[in-house]
Parts: sequence; structure tokens; C-alpha cells
Amino acid sequence: GENVEQHPSTLSVQEGDSAVIKCTYSDSASNYFPWYKQELGKRPQLIIDIRSNVGEKKDQRIAVTLNKTAKHFSLHITETQPEDSAVYFCAATPQKLVFGQGTRLTINP
Amino acid sequence: DTAVSQTPKYLVTQMGNDKSIKCEQNLGHDTMYWYKQDSKKFLKIMFSYNNKELIINETVPNRFSPKSPDKAHLNLHINSLELGDSAVYFCASSRLAGEGETQYFGPGTRLLVL
Repeated sequence: GENVEQHPSTLSVQEGDSAVIKCTYSDSASNYFPWYKQELGKRPQLIIDIRSNVGEKKDQRIAVTLNKTAKHFSLHITETQPEDSAVYFCAATPQKLVFGQGTRLTINP
Repeated sequence: DTAVSQTPKYLVTQMGNDKSIKCEQNLGHDTMYWYKQDSKKFLKIMFSYNNKELIINETVPNRFSPKSPDKAHLNLHINSLELGDSAVYFCASSRLAGEGETQYFGPGTRLLVL
């Protein structure tokens, strides 16, 4: 079955700097890669996703890149703000969502 | 309007008890899911129903029994609760089953077994 590894487990950056979170997956049949943000005590919410037919997708300050050959994908957040502080999860799916272990991102003012 | 809702929000109970969690979605989606998030925040799928039919049944103790009376509702019944069942249980829904469908999560039910 699919296995998703996510790194780092914690990340602390200065406000205004960029943050990068990386994931690798094992099943080459996976074709859909969403990223979820979970604030403390709240539900996971989709922030961006990418499908295997594209290599990069951007939405304002958030971008995701995908390398299908290497089986890894990354989340990039630019010009970070305090409200970006949360736990971020990557996921991959051939049939069901398999989540990474999560990255706790802290933005220091 | 809440798209995916769950009740109760919090559940504190004793070991050995039986409890149920309810989930409802008003998005008109065909597919619903139960996830468990443990104390380390690891999020794992338990079950999925598509139009009232069970389509994903992960390795979960048979003390956990899902039930979907219609495609807008998915309940989770847990028998003989154990300490290790303490977690946050999230319901989610998607328009259709299958890869590439965005899943929308409910607010979660925080279960504490004493």
C-alpha cells in the first residue's frame, strides 16, 4: 500500500521568510496530492492540491511542486504570516488518502 | 451553514462503555469517511461509504461499526471502549468516491476514554 513520509516534523521560521515542507510517497500509481492545514483544535482544511499531469501549481503565497519520477512533492509558503502557524499535512492517493505525519509550522513575529 | 457536521463535539466516557458518533453532510456528496487522529496528530482512514455502501474498511477492531442510513449521514458506533480509543474522530465527505476528489472534513469529535 501507499506510504507517505513528511519532513520536517517541526519548522520554525521568521515572519516574512519562506517555508518549505517535503513529502515522499511510495506508490507510483498515486495521482493526486493534496495539502491540508490544521489549526489548533480545528478540522483539516484543503489549501492546495496537485495532480500528476502538472509539475507545479501556485495560489497566491502557496505553491506545490511535484516530481513524479522521484516520487516527491513539496509545499512552499512565501512571505509567511503569523496566521500560517498550523500543522500541515501532505497526502497521496491511488484509491484512498494516505497522510504524511504532519509538520508543525510556527511563524515567529 | 455547516457543510459537514458531527455530534457530539466532546465525549468523555468510561472504559467498557458503548458510544456513537454521528455525522451529517449537506453538500449533496455521495461519499463519506471516518478518520482517526491520534495524540501524535497522525491522521488515518478507518472507513468509507459510497452512496450507503461500504467501500473502504481498514484494519480496525470490529468493536468499531459504521452505519450509513442514507448518503448524507454516516455514524460510528464503538463497543467496549478501550483507553487506546481516545482520539479525535473526523468525518469527511467528497462529491464522488475515487482519486482526485477533494475531501471536506467535519469539526471532529474528541473522545476521551477513562
